[in-house]
Amino acid sequence: DQQVKQNSPSLSVQEGRISILNCDYTNSMFDYFLWYKKYPAEGPTFLISISSIKDKNEDGRFTVFLNKSAKHLSLHIVPSQPGDSAVYFCAATLTGTASKLTFGTGTRLQVTL
Amino acid sequence: DAGVTQSPTHLIKTRGQHVTLRCSPISGHKSVSWYQQVLGQGPQFIFQYYEKEERGRGNFPDRFSARQFPNYSSELNVNALLLGDSALYLCASSKPRDIDEKLFFGSGTQLSVL
Repeated sequence: DQQVKQNSPSLSVQEGRISILNCDYTNSMFDYFLWYKKYPAEGPTFLISISSIKDKNEDGRFTVFLNKSAKHLSLHIVPSQPGDSAVYFCAATLTGTASKLTFGTGTRLQVTL
Repeated sequence: DAGVTQSPTHLIKTRGQHVTLRCSPISGHKSVSWYQQVLGQGPQFIFQYYEKEERGRGNFPDRFSARQFPNYSSELNVNALLLGDSALYLCASSKPRDIDEKLFFGSGTQLSVL
């Protein structure tokens, strides 16, 4: 049972445009959500997180939106840069158990020139 | 400061063998977690160790075990290897109970079982 789903395996965006990566979850107990970025031959790197008490969190070019009623979150990258090309994983957990993450299957983002 | 280090980076084993993977956390991090990432999937939680005690276990068979040492480094052991154990094994460290606790991952050990 896939509790965290990323239904788009890949996404291609032009440099300078907005990238929108989507994630859905089924477990209503999840209350803390994270995005990780992964380059080949490297481990995942933390990007941004959001608690269920918020519906938006920003960090520079990255913004995460949370819609609790729809059990949906999205990551917006504006403007997209070639260095953003990587696999992006959405993850969910319960507050206080950040070591036990449930990951989605990932979305490969390619930012083209 | 050094990040999370894992060894070896690559490993080839045959079915039925045993394997030990090693992880050194970031200095000051007392929690170590292990994840398995099968090709095309996201990482899946195996274990968490904190202060040398198991604090969480994912849905993995008893062939998988782990331990944490007094210096907070950790080993993941897998017995009776199966072809399906071929995966990238990721170790992550963190400071539990930090308000902003987040996992820092190593680059992983790529295990191939033939």
